[in-house]
Amino acid sequence: DQQVKQNSPSLSVQEGRISILNCDYTNSMFDYFLWYKKYPAEGPTFLISISSIKDKNEDGRFTVFLNKSAKHLSLHIVPSQPGDSAVYFCAATKTSYDKVIFGPGTSLSVIP
Amino acid sequence: KAGVTQTPRYLIKTRGQQVTLSCSPISGHRSVSWYQQTPGQGLQFLFEYFSETQRNKGNFPGRFSGRQFSNSRSEMNVSTLELGDSALYLCASTIIGAPGANVLTFGAGSRLTVL
Repeated sequence: DQQVKQNSPSLSVQEGRISILNCDYTNSMFDYFLWYKKYPAEGPTFLISISSIKDKNEDGRFTVFLNKSAKHLSLHIVPSQPGDSAVYFCAATKTSYDKVIFGPGTSLSVIP
Repeated sequence: KAGVTQTPRYLIKTRGQQVTLSCSPISGHRSVSWYQQTPGQGLQFLFEYFSETQRNKGNFPGRFSGRQFSNSRSEMNVSTLELGDSALYLCASTIIGAPGANVLTFGAGSRLTVL
């Protein structure tokens, strides 16, 4: 039973345009959400997070939106750059001391 | 400061053998989590250790085990290897109790190939 879903395995975007990566979750107890980016032959690196008490968090070119009623979050990257090409994982957890559950990932290609 | 260190980076084993992977967390980080990454499955949670105790466990068979030492270093072991165990095994550490406690810092992983 996959509690965190990323239904788009891949996404291609032109450089300078917006990239929107989507994530859905099934467990209403999740209260903290994170996005990680992974390059080949490297471990995932933390990108941005959001608490369930917020509906938006912004950090430079990256913005995460949370819609609790729809159990949906999205990551917006504006403007997209070729260096953003990577696999993006959505993750969720219930408490500060619980395990972090990851989605299957979305491979983003930013075309110059 | 040094990041999360995983050894070995690459290894090849044959079916039926066992393997031990090692993880040294960031200094001061007391929680270590292990994940298995396979194509299409994302990162599957194996287990998490804190203060030498397994605190969370994923849905993997008993062939997968782990432990944590007093210096927070952790090892995971897979016995009776199967072809399906071929994967990237990732270790991550985090400070417990600090803001952003769920922000895991990952190592580069150990790539296991089972022949």
